[in-house]
Amino acid sequence: EDQVTQSPEALRLQEGESSSLNCSYTVSGLRGLFWYRQDPGKGPEFLFTLYSAGEEKEKERLKATLTKKESFLHITAPKPEDSATYLCAVQGTYKYIFGTGTRLKVLA
Amino acid sequence: DVKVTQSSRYLVKRTGEKVFLECVQDMDHENMFWYRQDPGLGLRLIYFSYDVKMKEKGDIPEGYSVSREKKERFSLILESASTNQTSMYLCASRVSSGANVLTFGAGSRLTVL
Repeated sequence: EDQVTQSPEALRLQEGESSSLNCSYTVSGLRGLFWYRQDPGKGPEFLFTLYSAGEEKEKERLKATLTKKESFLHITAPKPEDSATYLCAVQGTYKYIFGTGTRLKVLA
Repeated sequence: DVKVTQSSRYLVKRTGEKVFLECVQDMDHENMFWYRQDPGLGLRLIYFSYDVKMKEKGDIPEGYSVSREKKERFSLILESASTNQTSMYLCASRVSSGANVLTFGAGSRLTVL
């Protein structure tokens, strides 16, 4: 069964305290893994797509990596404005399987 | 940038009412999707459409129907709203080939009393 599990469910960091979010997945025929950011009451906003093991993408303080079983979203020296829920999703044929997200809170 | 617009951000309806949620995208995307998002359950696919007048059931289609008469517009219909349909509804679109990124709208928060 295709499945995506994100951990931890919630994470509190001090400003500048780097950490990583995990996305473990099982899917037959991975076509892509996606990271989204979602602010309260809003729709998910696209961050990264990863297609194959070993691939890495970076954007400002965020870096996403991919292995055959999991992906990590590394946050370096986070700021309060990085506080959000981060969603991971994998793509099958037409369907996407979403994790339940990691709620990140960065304290000033 | 692709824009997906959900016209109703917040709705409050009574049990048994018919509810229409509208979604419009402006970048000629072939595929459109409706999800609902509930705490602890993540995003669950209700219906998707791969082209005009085409529709496919997702994982939780019961109690919902959809309409896609024009390429840019995908409507979600709750024929008789129930309290267990209180949720955040998210519309998304994508091109059918090449990049497979889903672009989401801002969401429609529906409360059924």
